[in-house]
Amino acid sequence: EVQLVESGGGLVKPGGSLRLSCAASGFIFSGFSVNWVRQAPGKGLEWVSSISSISYILYADSVKGRFTISRDNAKNSLYLQMNSLRAEDTAVYYCARGPGTTFDYWGQGTLVTVSS
Amino acid sequence: EIVMTQSPATLSVSPGERATLSCRASQSVSSNLAWYQQKPGQAPRLLVYGASSRATGIGARFSGSGSGTDFTLIISSLQSEDFAVYYCQQYNDWPRTFGQGTKVEIK
Repeated sequence: EVQLVESGGGLVKPGGSLRLSCAASGFIFSGFSVNWVRQAPGKGLEWVSSISSISYILYADSVKGRFTISRDNAKNSLYLQMNSLRAEDTAVYYCARGPGTTFDYWGQGTLVTVSS
Repeated sequence: EIVMTQSPATLSVSPGERATLSCRASQSVSSNLAWYQQKPGQAPRLLVYGASSRATGIGARFSGSGSGTDFTLIISSLQSEDFAVYYCQQYNDWPRTFGQGTKVEIK
C-alpha cells in the first residue's frame, strides 16, 4: 500500500524557516517524481514544487528562491526547506506522488502557520 | 500559466440525482486533465486522468469527458459519500494548475 506521511509543520514567525519531510513507503520511491502541493485555509490547491526521479526540479514562481526541494532515495524521503516565510505561505502542505502528470497518491498533510 | 476555471462554484443536488461539473482551460491542454475529490479534513483523491480514464478503485458512476479547453465530470447518481469538493487540474504544461473547485452539497 502506498503511504506518504508528512511531518515538520508548525508555527513560525514571518521571515523564519521550516523544513518539511515526507516519508514514503509501499512503492519504489526512487522511480517516481514527488511533489509538494499546498492548500491555504479554506482555499484551493496550489502546486509548489516537483522533483523527478533523476532530480530534475521545478518550483512555482511564488516560492522560487525561497524554497528548496530535495530527496533522499536511500531513506525514501522527500524534503522541503522553506526560508523567508511569509504570511501567505500559511497552508496545509501535502506530499504527493506524481508520475510527472497527475498526483496519484497524497499524504494527509502538515500545517504550516506563518504568524507573529 | 494556464488558468483553470470551474463552474458552478457550488452545486446543490439530491442523493440519487446526477451532477454535472464543468472545467475550462485558458488554452488547450489536449486531454491532459485530471479530476480530484476532496472531503473535509482529508487529502485530495485522484478520480480521473487523461480527461476520461477512471483512476484505480473509482466507481463507474464517475465519468469524465472533453478535450482541448472544455471538460466535464458527471456523477451519475450521487451517493452520500460523493458530497465533497471537486478540483480539475491540467498537466499539459508547467506550472501544474488547479481549478478553484466545485462544492457538491446536499440539496
